[in-house]
Amino acid sequence: DQQVKQNSPSLSVQEGRISILNCDYTNSMFDYFLWYKKYPAEGPTFLISISSIKDKNEDGRFTVFLNKSAKHLSLHIVPSQPGDSAVYFCAASGNRDDKIIFGKGTRLHILP
Amino acid sequence: DAEITQSPRHKITETGRQVTLACHQTWNHNNMFWYRQDLGHGLRLIHYSYGVQDTNKGEVSDGYSVSRSNTEDLPLTLESAASSQTSVYFCASSEGLLNEQFFGPGTRLTVL
Repeated sequence: DQQVKQNSPSLSVQEGRISILNCDYTNSMFDYFLWYKKYPAEGPTFLISISSIKDKNEDGRFTVFLNKSAKHLSLHIVPSQPGDSAVYFCAASGNRDDKIIFGKGTRLHILP
Repeated sequence: DAEITQSPRHKITETGRQVTLACHQTWNHNNMFWYRQDLGHGLRLIHYSYGVQDTNKGEVSDGYSVSRSNTEDLPLTLESAASSQTSVYFCASSEGLLNEQFFGPGTRLTVL
């Protein structure tokens, strides 16, 4: 059973607008959440993270929101740029474990 | 600069052959991980290690083995390659608890 779910396989957004990528999780023991970005033929790279003691974390154009009661997090990219076209993986870890569980990913297309 | 490398980048082999994929990191990280990425599955954990002589099974460990004889290397061995093991393999390392994982560039393995 999937513990980290990204229900949208792909998303298209106009350049300059806001991109919102969603992620749901089922394991209430998760207390640390991460987003990774992946370009074709490259390894994933860390983008932003959030601890369960917070409900928002910002880094430049990227903001992650966490709703613990709904077991839901989202990544907002504002404004979206062509270089943001990539696959985004949501990931989670918990119980003081260094393993992280990844979702299936969402492919983001930024349209000119 | 510290880095994590994987070799080979591409490999074609035949069913039943033993294959070893190399992973080398110069971050001096204790934690190392192997993942496979497949369409529709995202990144799935194969094996991981929290230090020298420590190895652990991930969610898709059948048919794979690892050994950790030093801090820098975690080779992944496919004992008898199967077509179902055709995939892109990523190695990653992290410093410790709640630290981001740094990924290698990946190895594309094809089993014919």
